[in-house]
Amino acid sequence: EAEVAQSPRYKITEKSQAVAFWCDPISGHATLYWYRQILGQGPELLVQFQDESVVDDSQLPKDRFSAERLKGVDSTLKIQPAELGDSAMYLCASSLQGSTNEQFFGPGTRLTVL
Amino acid sequence: AQKITQTQPGMFVQEKEAVTLDCTYDTSDPSYGLFWYKQPSSGEMIFLIYQGSYDQQNATEGRYSLNFQKARKSANLVISASQLGDSAMYFCAMREGHGGATNKLIFGTGTLLAVQP
Repeated sequence: EAEVAQSPRYKITEKSQAVAFWCDPISGHATLYWYRQILGQGPELLVQFQDESVVDDSQLPKDRFSAERLKGVDSTLKIQPAELGDSAMYLCASSLQGSTNEQFFGPGTRLTVL
Repeated sequence: AQKITQTQPGMFVQEKEAVTLDCTYDTSDPSYGLFWYKQPSSGEMIFLIYQGSYDQQNATEGRYSLNFQKARKSANLVISASQLGDSAMYFCAMREGHGGATNKLIFGTGTLLAVQP
C-alpha cells in the first residue's frame, strides 16, 4: 500500500541550530502539505504545494522557515535557526490534485529543541 | 472565520460499547467537507471518515459513522463496538470549498479516547 514517507522520525537539536525534514508523497499526488502539531493541539497548515508551486504559506514563519518542492515530487522543510517554541510534530500529507476528500498523512517528524 | 470545536478533552468507554465524540463547526461557506482522523500514540494521522456538506446521507465506514446535523453545524463521530485498539486521539477537521487551489484542513483540539477492558 502506498504511503507518505518522512524522515527523520525524531530529531533533537539545540536552539539556533538548523534542522531539515524530508517528505516523499504518494506517487502521483500533486498536492503536498506540511502541518505543524504542537503538543495538545490539532495540526495547523504551514505550507501547501501544488506540484512545485506554493499555494498557501500564510502561516509559515518565513523569517526562519523555508520549504521547497523543486521537482514537484519530494519536499524539504527547513528551520534556521530553531527556537524552543518550534518543538512539535511536523506532519507531511499528500492528496490527488483537486481532491476534495482524503489527505494521506505520513508518520511525522517529532522535533525537540533544547 | 472557520472553526472546529471539540468540547470533550477525554472520554472513557467500555470495550464493546458504542461511543460518540462531539464536533461542532463554524463556516459561512455553503460547500465544505468534514473529516475525522485518528492519531495513535505513534503520531501518524489515520483517516477514518468523510462527509460532504451536500451529502444527503450520513457517512459510514465499518464501525465508524458520522452523525451529520447540518442545521446544528455538528458532525459527531460514532464508534460502535469499541475495541482496545481504538484508544487514541481523535480529531475532527473541516475543509472549506470544493477543494480548489487551497484545500487545507482546519483541525479541532482533539478528544482522547480510552477504551477500558
